[in-house]
Amino acid sequence: DGGITQSPKYLFRKEGQNVTLSCEQNLNHDAMYWYRQDPGQGLRLIYYSQIVNDFQKGDIAEGYSVSREKKESFPLTVTSAQKNPTAFYLCASSKSGQEGEQYFGPGTRLTVT
Amino acid sequence: SQKIEQNSEALNIQEGKTATLTCNYTNYSPAYLQWYRQDPGRGPVFLLLIRENEKEKRKERLKVTFDTTLKQSLFHITASQPADSATYLCALAGSSNTGKLIFGQGTTLQVKP
Repeated sequence: DGGITQSPKYLFRKEGQNVTLSCEQNLNHDAMYWYRQDPGQGLRLIYYSQIVNDFQKGDIAEGYSVSREKKESFPLTVTSAQKNPTAFYLCASSKSGQEGEQYFGPGTRLTVT
Repeated sequence: SQKIEQNSEALNIQEGKTATLTCNYTNYSPAYLQWYRQDPGRGPVFLLLIRENEKEKRKERLKVTFDTTLKQSLFHITASQPADSATYLCALAGSSNTGKLIFGQGTTLQVKP
């Protein structure tokens, strides 16, 4: 059963703590993406990776970090430097960095208090 | 700066009617455009892709048009059903072949029985 998974679905953290969101795909896709969605807003790109061991900053990368050590995995760390971390985080993958459709995971809702 | 605008007001229509959603963009020359459906608390699901040299694309009850002169895409759902109620996102991609998408904020469609 192919797909993209994110865990956990809900995450609560205290301010000042780093937190890592998991994203795994078994679709054999080369490209992976992290987005943030705030209420009433569209998705904003945080980081993306077109190939293992390589990734690029998106439009709102400040306060976030990623790694791409394996093709299947693209974890996102929300650091204490991120000023407004509470949001809905979505991971996606696509066959390649071209016009392919993006497949999204179910999302992680992060709440920082 | 690049801007994508979707109608932020919810669209309410009666079952059986055709729903038409609009996506306008400025300061941008997308190579292609995609439409996604998003249900509350879930990740978006890909619906259709239309390229800059295509005027219209159809899939079952869905139709997308792309007017690069007007810088606008229209998304139509014919014979709408209550199950079509969701938020619909348009996403534009440049010609850099990175797979990066810029998303609009989405329009919520409510189909009443």
